[in-house]
Amino acid sequence: AQRVTQPEKLLSVFKGAPVELKCNYSYSGSPELFWYVQYSRQRLQLLLRHISRESIKGFTADLNKGETSFHLKKPFAQEEDSAMYYCALTSSNTGKLIFGQGTTLQVKP
Amino acid sequence: DAGVTQSPTHLIKTRGQQVTLRCSPISGHKSVSWYQQVLGQGPQFIFQYYEKEERGRGNFPDRFSARQFPNYSSELNVNALLLGDSALYLCASSLVRGRDTQYFGPGTRLTVL
Repeated sequence: AQRVTQPEKLLSVFKGAPVELKCNYSYSGSPELFWYVQYSRQRLQLLLRHISRESIKGFTADLNKGETSFHLKKPFAQEEDSAMYYCALTSSNTGKLIFGQGTTLQVKP
Repeated sequence: DAGVTQSPTHLIKTRGQQVTLRCSPISGHKSVSWYQQVLGQGPQFIFQYYEKEERGRGNFPDRFSARQFPNYSSELNVNALLLGDSALYLCASSLVRGRDTQYFGPGTRLTVL
């Protein structure tokens, strides 16, 4: 079954601390992996996708096919990073996005 | 560009009623997808339309239907509403189907009493 798992509902860190938001997936094939972010009172927006290999707002994510993981990392958290983060995957055929349940990141001053 | 727009913003209905939600994609985007987001969960895929044809359907009952118009806007219809249909309904558009990045609208909050 195709599934995305984000094991932490809430991750709370202090400003300046490193952040790692975990994402594991199960999929038979070659999925495309994404991280979406939703800031307070804003719409869901793309943070990054694995094929672009970009670093957005200091966040990076590496696809580990052996561990079927796509963890999101940032070396130094900022208060403005506080938001809900969703990991998602899609297949080549349908374009259907499969989302995890989301992790709330809370960055304390 | 205003991005993906959805209307209405909020909607309150009673059980058994029918509802129509509307979505306008980003200009030039030909694919529209619909998702249901229940409180505390990630969005769940309902439909994808591309070039006015249904290209994908999630695990939702036949009470849910959708269509896409020649201008690529889309409507989601839900018949015989149940309390469990209360959710945020999200529309997303992309240039083409498949692995293309999907851009989300602000959603329509549906409450079924």
